[in-house]
Amino acid sequence: DTEVTQTPKHLVMGMTNKKSLKCEQHMGHRAMYWYKQKAKKPPELMFVYSYEKLSINESVPSRFSPECPNSSLLNLHLHALQPEDSALYLCASSPGTGYQETQYFGPGTRLLVL
Amino acid sequence: GQNIDQPTEMTATEGAIVQINCTYQTSGFNGLFWYQQHAGEAPTFLSYNVLDGLEEKGRFSSFLSRSKGYSYLLLKELQMKDSASYLCASKAAGNKLTFGGGTRVLVKP
Repeated sequence: DTEVTQTPKHLVMGMTNKKSLKCEQHMGHRAMYWYKQKAKKPPELMFVYSYEKLSINESVPSRFSPECPNSSLLNLHLHALQPEDSALYLCASSPGTGYQETQYFGPGTRLLVL
Repeated sequence: GQNIDQPTEMTATEGAIVQINCTYQTSGFNGLFWYQQHAGEAPTFLSYNVLDGLEEKGRFSSFLSRSKGYSYLLLKELQMKDSASYLCASKAAGNKLTFGGGTRVLVKP
């Protein structure tokens, strides 16, 4: 089973709203990732969690706040977003062993900020 | 830093072969991935190369030359369902993946 699930599938929010994206995997992976993907562009790394600790933050604005409550869950809290933040947000996970580290992606949350 | 180049678009005929090239310049290079992404869907893993040479997996093969900073993905016996974007991604330290811009492959009957 190489399934990563994400909820919600679609989200529309205003610039003053607070919302959260959720990601879950049950593969025993210890590394989890958030990516942002704009239309016809490749995914861009936002955050990496390794063993529930934030290991990489790609200079993401503070209106995006990641959280890793346990080894299976990854959240992305959103607050005061801008219309240009509208994109597909992808979660991924990998074993975390340091070998190969194939990342498996969830289906994504399509976010529209009005 | 990271720099990854791949062609923007390629067109091929059903049943044919297509080769997608990728060149990279990656500090702390630790492997090269290929992903397939259909429109509106998540990327799905195709292949991984860390040593020089060819890895074959059914209709798909991937090649790596570390000294040349070069990889290619070979798609054989093309099918209509192979129409998708193909993403080359290099891996550096810290499990950091950097993606190329993607190559849109259009398979025509």
